[in-house]
Amino acid sequence: ELKVEQNPLFLSMQEGKNYTIYCNYSTTSDRLYWYRQDPGKSLESLFVLLSNGAVKQEGRLMASLDTKARLSTLHITAAVHDLSATYFCAVDLLAGRSRLTFGEGTQLTVNP
Amino acid sequence: DGGITQSPKYLFRKEGQNVTLSCEQNLNHDAMYWYRQDPGQGLRLIYYSQIVNDFQKGDIAEGYSVSREKKESFPLTVTSAQKNPTAFYLCASRSTTGTSDTQYFGPGTRLTVL
Repeated sequence: ELKVEQNPLFLSMQEGKNYTIYCNYSTTSDRLYWYRQDPGKSLESLFVLLSNGAVKQEGRLMASLDTKARLSTLHITAAVHDLSATYFCAVDLLAGRSRLTFGEGTQLTVNP
Repeated sequence: DGGITQSPKYLFRKEGQNVTLSCEQNLNHDAMYWYRQDPGQGLRLIYYSQIVNDFQKGDIAEGYSVSREKKESFPLTVTSAQKNPTAFYLCASRSTTGTSDTQYFGPGTRLTVL
């Protein structure tokens, strides 16, 4: 059974600071996804990581994937209040069939 | 204006009733998915369909049923056998061709059992 664990589950940080969210998973997979969810809203796709060593950046967010360590990171640079949301990683259990297993989510609060 | 629509946005059900949640997409995607989200938790897969007239159970299919008669539509029925159906339900779709590999989510339906 695939397990996906995120940490921390709750993160409160000040504007301008840097931080990293970690996503560990228990079985082999080379496809990992990051999503953002605002309170009461649906999920928005942030990154799709499809191979070992993949790195993608969008604005203040950068995601990476290490399939050997079964680890993905979401790095936040110089946080701003607009980044406050819950961030989920998801792993594809059946490569190519997109049967995703989600982590519990990291609730990020960026304080002014 | 392409996208995924779900209706209704809010749904109230009495115990013992079956209800059907609608999911429609005009993205021409082959694959569609239903997830359940409980407060403070991640998403759990209920059912998914890779092609019309075919679907597979996800991790928590008991008490739910689906159909996939048209490419655009993937309705979810929450039956009276589902013991704790109060949750946020999200539908998603994905293209199985081309380079885009991500799932796109609809706005969700919030179901409450009275």
